[in-house]
Amino acid sequence: KTQVEQSPQSLVVRQGENCVLQCNYSVTPDNHLRWFKQDTGKGLVSLTVLVHENDKTSNGRYSATLDKDAKHSTLHITATLLDDTATYICVVGDRGSALGRLHFGAGTQLIVIP
Amino acid sequence: EAAVTQSPRNKVTVTGGNVTLSCRQTNSHNYMYWYRQDTGHGLRLIHYSYGAGNLQIGDVPDGYKATRTTQEDFFLLLELASPSQTSLYFCASSDDSGEQYFGPGTRLTVL
Repeated sequence: KTQVEQSPQSLVVRQGENCVLQCNYSVTPDNHLRWFKQDTGKGLVSLTVLVHENDKTSNGRYSATLDKDAKHSTLHITATLLDDTATYICVVGDRGSALGRLHFGAGTQLIVIP
Repeated sequence: EAAVTQSPRNKVTVTGGNVTLSCRQTNSHNYMYWYRQDTGHGLRLIHYSYGAGNLQIGDVPDGYKATRTTQEDFFLLLELASPSQTSLYFCASSDDSGEQYFGPGTRLTVL
């Protein structure tokens, strides 16, 4: 059973618009949650990591929130650029060490059009 | 900066063929991982390793072998490739913190 669900599956926005990506999970324990960006045909690049209950992070135009009670995270992208076109992957780690397992969502494909 | 490289980047083989995918990391990390990525699925763990000579079974190991020859090098072996193994394969490495750094991927097509 999929333990990390992302929505929407795909999203098209115009350059300059804002967008919000959602991640719901059932992983237990949920030590941390990380958002990755994956350009087409490339590897995963970490955008941000959230660890604590009600964590909020900001990394340039990317900001993220985590609600551990609801097992829910959002990734906000403001003033989108054409280079933001990519797949965004939500990953939940069940431990804070290499002994833990990572649980991957299937990703949200974001397309930014001029 | 952390560096994980994979080769080849693209590979086409036939059913029953023998394929080796290579991964090298220059991070001095102890842990290395092999994943496959398929449309509609998150990355799925095939095999992983704690260090040279160590091998651990992941979540989808059937049809795959792996070998960690040195701290830097981790290989994924498909001895009798099948079309169901057509996929995008990622290697990753991590230190004890568990933060994983990913390679660029190898696209494998089995005809």
